[in-house]
Amino acid sequence: GAGVSQSPRYKVAKRGQDVALRCDPISGHVSLFWYQQALGQGPEFLTYFQNEAQLDKSGLPSDRFFAERPEGSVSTLKIQRTQQEDSAVYLCASSLEDREGTEAFFGQGTRLTVV
Amino acid sequence: LAKTTQPISMDSYEGQEVNITCSHNNIATNDYITWYQQFPSQGPRFIIQGYKTKVTNEVASLFIPADRKSSTLSLPRVSLSDTAVYYCLVGPSGSARQLTFGSGTQLTVLP
Repeated sequence: GAGVSQSPRYKVAKRGQDVALRCDPISGHVSLFWYQQALGQGPEFLTYFQNEAQLDKSGLPSDRFFAERPEGSVSTLKIQRTQQEDSAVYLCASSLEDREGTEAFFGQGTRLTVV
Repeated sequence: LAKTTQPISMDSYEGQEVNITCSHNNIATNDYITWYQQFPSQGPRFIIQGYKTKVTNEVASLFIPADRKSSTLSLPRVSLSDTAVYYCLVGPSGSARQLTFGSGTQLTVLP
């Protein structure tokens, strides 16, 4: 596709439920990033992939959060046993490569509401 | 990573030039300055990036003084559609990794 695609756009989960959020990056983009954006705040870094390798997961808030990109293209962010504080917009971004001057392209995000 | 400070909000009128200043006193030698724009229910969108002096593209200009401790995003002749949150980011080598967004500046353009 022309841009980064995320699905679903909206997800309502009951507390304790597991969720999976999907990201389709721009074709050919090596780098993929996940961010979490709470209401009224800027996005915060969660994790970074270069192809299929997860090189940085320092931003994942707990071991309930897990991300994968098994074939170096589509990525899935999984949240186990969701809590109310997990309610946020989850943004995915991709870039051609990770070096200076490289622009990151963001998807529209998935709005997760935990009730 | 260098911390940035920018106004929480700004109002402007259609057709005016808008300047949003960002402070980054602890910017490192290899840090680039990048600005993103975010509309409601959209992901952030890259606007402009620079290292020093002035950078201009079809959307905006970025002014960076010699000491690089601040930068100013200039939007010429804004329209209602420029209403958005604008983020100033400072990061090593201009890499997209670990973008640190802060709270941004809510720009509201009035008719």
